Amino acid sequence: DTGVSQDPRHKITKRGQNVTFRCDPISEHNRLYWYRQTLGQGPEFLTYFQNEAQLEKSRLLSDRFSAERPKGSFSTLEIQRTEQGDSAMYLCASSLEEGYVAFFGQGTRLTVV
Amino acid sequence: TQLLEQSPQFLSIQEGENLTVYCNSSSVFSSLQWYRQEPGEGPVLLVTVVTGGEVKKLKRLTFQFGDARKDSSLHITAAQPGDTGLYLCAGVNYGGSQGNLIFGKGTKLSVKP
Repeated sequence: DTGVSQDPRHKITKRGQNVTFRCDPISEHNRLYWYRQTLGQGPEFLTYFQNEAQLEKSRLLSDRFSAERPKGSFSTLEIQRTEQGDSAMYLCASSLEEGYVAFFGQGTRLTVV
Repeated sequence: TQLLEQSPQFLSIQEGENLTVYCNSSSVFSSLQWYRQEPGEGPVLLVTVVTGGEVKKLKRLTFQFGDARKDSSLHITAAQPGDTGLYLCAGVNYGGSQGNLIFGKGTKLSVKP
């Protein structure tokens, strides 16, 4: 296993378009987290899954954002009708269980023009 | 709301100097993780501290978990340009929010040759 994998690494999109990001966690990791990070700041929590169940969503996750983890393995994060303020690094992390160390992917850098 | 305060927010030093960054909270954490992040990449785990008063060393890096498990520090001896990056601490607290993983905003370290 090569760790948490995110795809794509970079995405440039026009305002108003929809985008979808994918995260493949470390296999056998039950927890999967999504974060958003702007330049020089710490990660901001968006949502997390325990297996396929989405257990918590941040207020940052507006109606335009949706995340899924249909089979408890990979996850997708979709942003509809993108806005320039959505430009950020989107990070995915996974951990074995609650309280275990979280490992991050390399992130997806989104630029909305 | 659980918060982790990191200080200083920015630190610029010369190669060879020593430095300490801090991670403080009014909440008790069951464990605390330190990450280092380079621009355009995801955070990379450096260490996890679990026991109050625990000290862990990783080459020139020394991590300490406070006796009350509310705070932590990272000390770097003889800093090198390769230490440059964003240092993040993250606290784990069972039964808390955000998937039980709370991040600080980070300390941005720049080591000049």
